[in-house]
Amino acid sequence: EAEVAQSPRYKITEKSQAVAFWCDPISGHATLYWYRQILGQGPELLVQFQDESVVDDSQLPKDRFSAERLKGVDSTLKIQPAELGDSAMYLCASSPQGQGLEQYFGPGTRLTVT
Amino acid sequence: LAKTTQPISMDSYEGQEVNITCSHNNIATNDYITWYQQFPSQGPRFIIQGYKTKVTNEVASLFIPADRKSSTLSLPRVSLSDTAVYYCLVGGAGANNLFFGTGTRLTVIP
Repeated sequence: EAEVAQSPRYKITEKSQAVAFWCDPISGHATLYWYRQILGQGPELLVQFQDESVVDDSQLPKDRFSAERLKGVDSTLKIQPAELGDSAMYLCASSPQGQGLEQYFGPGTRLTVT
Repeated sequence: LAKTTQPISMDSYEGQEVNITCSHNNIATNDYITWYQQFPSQGPRFIIQGYKTKVTNEVASLFIPADRKSSTLSLPRVSLSDTAVYYCLVGGAGANNLFFGTGTRLTVIP
C-alpha cells in the first residue's frame, strides 16, 4: 500500500536555528498539505499545494516559515529561525485531485525546540 | 466549513460497541461527513465518509439522520487497539481545508 513518506521522524534544534522537513506524497496525488499539530489539539493546516502551486498559505507564519514543491512531487517545509513555540508534530498529507476530504497522512516529524 | 461538536472523551470496555456522535447544525447541502482516527505519534487515518443514511465499511459504520445535523460513528466490538482520537469533519467534496478540532479521545478498557 502506497504511503506518504516524511523525514526526519524526530528533530531537536535550538531556538534561532534553521530546520527543514521533507515530504514525499503518494505517487499521482496532485494535492499536498502541511499541517502542524500541537500536543492535545487537532492538526492545523499550514499550507496546501496543487501540483507546484500554493493554493492556501493563509495560516503559514511567513516571517519564519517557507514551503516549496518545486517539481510538483516532493515538498520541503522550512523554519528559520525556530522558536520555542514551534515545538510540535509536523504532518504532511496528500490527496487525489478533487478529493480533499480523503487525505493520506505521513507519520509526521516531531520537532522539539530548546 | 461547518463547525462540528463532539464529546471530548469516552471510555468503553473491550468487546462493546462504541457510538461517537458529532453535531453539525450548519451543514451545507453539498457537504459530506468524514471521520478520521489518530493514534499517538501518528498521522490521522481516514476511516469513513458519508452523505446520508448509513455507510458501512470493514472498520466502522456511519449513521446520518435525514436532517443531517448530526452523525454517529459506530465501532463494533472495540478492542484495546481502537484506543485513539476520533475526528469528525464536514465539508464539500472538493474541500481542502480540513478543520480537525480537538476530536474525541476514546479509551478502551480491558
